[in-house]
Amino acid sequence: AQSVSQHNHHVILSEAASLELGCNYSYGGTVNLFWYVQYPGQHLQLLLKYFSGDPLVKGIKGFEAEFIKSKFSFNLRKPSVQWSDTAEYFCAVNLGGGYNKLIFGAGTRLAVHP
Amino acid sequence: DTGVSQDPRHKITKRGQNVTFRCDPISEHNRLYWYRQTLGQGPEFLTYFQNEAQLEKSRLLSDRFSAERPKGSFSTLEIQRTEQGDSAMYLCASSSELGSGELFFGEGSRLTVL
Repeated sequence: AQSVSQHNHHVILSEAASLELGCNYSYGGTVNLFWYVQYPGQHLQLLLKYFSGDPLVKGIKGFEAEFIKSKFSFNLRKPSVQWSDTAEYFCAVNLGGGYNKLIFGAGTRLAVHP
Repeated sequence: DTGVSQDPRHKITKRGQNVTFRCDPISEHNRLYWYRQTLGQGPEFLTYFQNEAQLEKSRLLSDRFSAERPKGSFSTLEIQRTEQGDSAMYLCASSSELGSGELFFGEGSRLTVL
C-alpha cells in the first residue's frame, strides 16, 4: 500500500536555526507532492506543492522543498526559522486518479524557541 | 469567511449514541472529502464526493459510518452506535475540479466518545 513517512515526529529549534524535515513516500508511479502546515488552533493550510518541472519548489513564508525522485523524497527546508513557525507539518502525496485524494504522513511537530 | 466550515466543532457523546457532523465546502468546489485524524497521526482518508456522487470509501469507513451529499453542496457524516475508538478529529476538505491539487480544509469536528 502507498504510504508517506515523516522521520521526525518532534523537532525543537531555536530561532534563526535552519530546518529540514524529511518526507519519503512509497509509490513507483507519478505523484504530486504537498506540504501542509497546521498552526495551533487553525486548520490545515497548504505550504507548497510539486507537480512537475523544477524539483526545487518554493512556498509561503520562506519555505522550500526539494523533490528527489530517485530517493522518493520531498524534504522541507527553511534556512532560518522564526517563533511563528511553531506548528505541525504534514507531508502528503496525491497518487493521481483525477480527484486529489491525498495520503498524509504522521506529521512533525515543530517548536521554535525565541 | 468563504472557507470550509464544519459543525459542530466539538461533540461529546456517550458510547452507543449516534452523532452527525456537517460540512459546508467552498461554494464553487464540486469535490468534497472527509478525513479522520487521531492524536499523533496525519489525516486518514475516509470518503470522497464529486457533486452528489460518493465515488470512494475507505475500508476505515465501517458500516456504522455513512456520508451523504444530497444536493452536491453540504455534506453530512453520521456515526451510528459510537464506540470509544471513534474519538478523533473529523476533517472535511473541498477542492475544485480544475486541479491545482490543493485541498482546502475546515477546522474539523472533534468527537469524544465517553
